[in-house]
Amino acid sequence: GDSVTQMEGPVTLSEEAFLTINCTYTATGYPSLFWYVQYPGEGLQLLLKATKADDKGSNKGFEATYRKETTSFHLEKGSVQVSDSAVYFCALSRNAGNMLTFGGGTRLMVKP
Amino acid sequence: EAGVTQFPSHSVIEKGQTVTLRCDPISGHDNLYWYRRVMGKEIKFLLHFVKESKQDESGMPNNRFLAERTGGTYSTLKVQPAELEDSGVYFCASSPRTSVGYGYTFGSGTRLTVV
Repeated sequence: GDSVTQMEGPVTLSEEAFLTINCTYTATGYPSLFWYVQYPGEGLQLLLKATKADDKGSNKGFEATYRKETTSFHLEKGSVQVSDSAVYFCALSRNAGNMLTFGGGTRLMVKP
Repeated sequence: EAGVTQFPSHSVIEKGQTVTLRCDPISGHDNLYWYRRVMGKEIKFLLHFVKESKQDESGMPNNRFLAERTGGTYSTLKVQPAELEDSGVYFCASSPRTSVGYGYTFGSGTRLTVV
């Protein structure tokens, strides 16, 4: 079945550091890929997405590129802020109902 | 527009009791999804409604879980009787479209603790 694997956290960075959170997936066909973010006390929010190979999703300074050859969708940001502290979830959808398959989540802590 | 609303935000119940979670989707969203995250594990799909019909309930763990969506508006998820392993965070989400790749809007979740 479909699966998503992302690096375990927590990831602790200083403000303005470069961020990479790795995400790889296993799925047949051509899934759509997502990053969701959950800030403390809030629900999941769609951060960015990509629906086909080589697409780059971007939002709020975050980027991720759909790499079919490596089945990856790594999340990057050039300079993190304290306000980026949250849990980040990588996910895919493939079926007609648009059901999401999630990775385990990665907690990011950014220190001033 | 108002977002997806879930309540209660927290619920603590004893093993064997019944709990009902409610989700109010964004108005006009035909698609409603339930997910849950059991402590330390991935967020897992439970089921998908299109209007009042269950489109996919393949993720429902067992027959102690019953989901309904009255008139295609709000949805309830009842757990009866609750067991310790049901503890976790239950998320609801809604979407106006079913298209693969269409992101949806999640609620803040209900944290259920069974003691």
